[in-house]
Amino acid sequence: NAGVMQNPRHLVRRRGQEARLRCSPVKGHSHVYWYRQLPEEGLKFMVYLQKENIIDESGMPKERFSAEFPKEGPSILRIQQVVRGDSAAYFCASSQHKTANYGYTFGSGTRLTVV
Amino acid sequence: KQEVTQIPAALSVPEGENLVLNCSFTDSAIYNLQWFRQDPGKGLTSLLLIQSSQREQTSGRLNASLDKSSGRSTLYIAASQPGDSATYLCAVRFLSDTGNQFYFGTGTSLTVIP
Repeated sequence: NAGVMQNPRHLVRRRGQEARLRCSPVKGHSHVYWYRQLPEEGLKFMVYLQKENIIDESGMPKERFSAEFPKEGPSILRIQQVVRGDSAAYFCASSQHKTANYGYTFGSGTRLTVV
Repeated sequence: KQEVTQIPAALSVPEGENLVLNCSFTDSAIYNLQWFRQDPGKGLTSLLLIQSSQREQTSGRLNASLDKSSGRSTLYIAASQPGDSATYLCAVRFLSDTGNQFYFGTGTSLTVIP
């Protein structure tokens, strides 16, 4: 009964490249959330997705960032033309229901470094 | 604006002491509150989840309380151990937020000295 799986654990990109972060939710969970943790800051909500739908992307920058959760396969957070300010830890969480009666289960995160 | 605040930002105690971590939030209308532990460079481990209708939850040496009216939660750790050293995060879901997101505090960094 694997938890939330994120890969890669560490990702290094040069400025201007694309970063693709993957998240496989807990088996049976259909709700996925992405959070970003900047150095010395708290976790900030980015986007909430259900299968094939973006429910809330109010925390995601309007440019360069996109997210998807296809019918088959993991959820993907894509950052195009990365800049140094994108360096952060990106965490994915999943829940079984919208009301999240049992709270979130978090993955171990992907640490993105832009050089 | 919904905000979650944690005090203190850092705490250092000798092994064996009991300690309390504080979390406050700006709106008493919440759905639930969850305490997490984060080890350096690692992900978040869920410790306790308190629904809005509950006053406290217990797991082993941990006890979390919730006082919605005052907008506060505390995490009590009994008989602290060096292995408890980590950052403790409080996260709140507000009823007014339709996006189903948690609002996180910036955490309390705990060091338990052997």
